[in-house]
Amino acid sequence: KAGVTQTPRYLIKTRGQQVTLSCSPISGHRSVSWYQQTPGQGLQFLFEYFSETQRNKGNFPGRFSGRQFSNSRSEMNVSTLELGDSALYLCASSPELEAGGYEQYFGPGTRLTVT
Amino acid sequence: QKEVEQNSGPLSVPEGAIASLNCTYSDRGSQSFFWYRQYSGKSPELIMFIYSNGDKEDGRFTAQLNKASQYVSLLIRDSQPSDSATYLCAVNIGYGGATNKLIFGTGTLLAVQP
Repeated sequence: KAGVTQTPRYLIKTRGQQVTLSCSPISGHRSVSWYQQTPGQGLQFLFEYFSETQRNKGNFPGRFSGRQFSNSRSEMNVSTLELGDSALYLCASSPELEAGGYEQYFGPGTRLTVT
Repeated sequence: QKEVEQNSGPLSVPEGAIASLNCTYSDRGSQSFFWYRQYSGKSPELIMFIYSNGDKEDGRFTAQLNKASQYVSLLIRDSQPSDSATYLCAVNIGYGGATNKLIFGTGTLLAVQP
């Protein structure tokens, strides 16, 4: 199976602009999660989508939003970009498993630089 | 208190030795536990997951879980220079399948010396 794909891989934006990142999960995976990774804060959970519904959200401001489509592909949007939003944005998908846990598989990430 | 704690390292081991990586977590209700390997400039790669107390082995890797002590560990046998990477411990704090939310430790940098 093909892995998780993310586009674009690299992005440079200016403060105040907005950006949309895209993620295609592994075929058959219905859960998509987004994470932000920075040197200072490490890997932090942004939100998770399952069957087009946001199931959980991390502690990020409302400028960060996302959505999931009927084919499980997901997008995340960051509005009014700030310098501190420069990070590696990672998408992960999970298969449907019985209760107890889910393995998450990460895509290659989108490296966002805000200038 | 951080929810998932790891020693940042670096942990240096000679080639062929056993590398032991440790992780503690604070949420007693956590159900599932993961180890990811991340090479510099790359995304995390899942190498082990464990849901029940005890040991789980996969090739050169063994994950150990002790829920009473809230402790997870990863052993890498016959360490190779290619194992040199940052190892991230992650805990899923979703309950009963209601959600996926991984909380990550800050990672342990492993350096395997040839």
